[in-house]
Amino acid sequence: QQQVKQSPQSLIVQKGGISIINCAYENTAFDYFPWYQQFPGKGPALLIAIRPDVSEKKEGRFTISFNKSAKQFSLHIMDSQPGDSATYFCAAFNAGNNRKLIWGLGTSLAVNP
Amino acid sequence: NAGVTQTPKFQVLKTGQSMTLQCAQDMNHNSMYWYRQDPGMGLRLIYYSASEGTTDKGEVPNGYNVSRLNKREFSLRLESAAPSQTSVYFCASRGPTGGSYEQYFGPGTRLTVT
Repeated sequence: QQQVKQSPQSLIVQKGGISIINCAYENTAFDYFPWYQQFPGKGPALLIAIRPDVSEKKEGRFTISFNKSAKQFSLHIMDSQPGDSATYFCAAFNAGNNRKLIWGLGTSLAVNP
Repeated sequence: NAGVTQTPKFQVLKTGQSMTLQCAQDMNHNSMYWYRQDPGMGLRLIYYSASEGTTDKGEVPNGYNVSRLNKREFSLRLESAAPSQTSVYFCASRGPTGGSYEQYFGPGTRLTVT
């Protein structure tokens, strides 16, 4: 049972374009929504995260948009660069439930030069 | 400050062999995790340890055992390796307090079982 659904599975974007990855969740008890970035041969690393009391968080070219009523959140990468080519995972966390992250299946992003 | 370290980086086993994957963190974190990553399957939690002295099953614990040796170290053991356990294994840690949500990952162990 996939509690966090991520789409698309793969994405190809031209350099300078906008990359958008979407996630939907079911459990309204989730209270922390991170995005992790993983380069080939490396472990995932936290990119940006949001809590449900805000609708948007921006860090440089990376923005999370959060829609609590729709139970959806998305990652936007502005001015995408070839160095952004990686796999991106969304996740959700419930502080009251054994403190485990629930992961999406990942999106493989390729940014063409 | 090395963060999360894992050994070995690569391993090839024959079916039925056993091995232990080692993980250590130097960030004084309370919680530690073992994941496996397979193509198209994302990250699946095998076992986790919320604090020193405790361990709990995750999503896919069958065929694995863990030991939280001390606050720094969390090992994963395959008693009788099977080809289905061919995967990349990641250790992660979180803390130092319960209010810290970010997980820090090691570089991974790529395991092949023939």
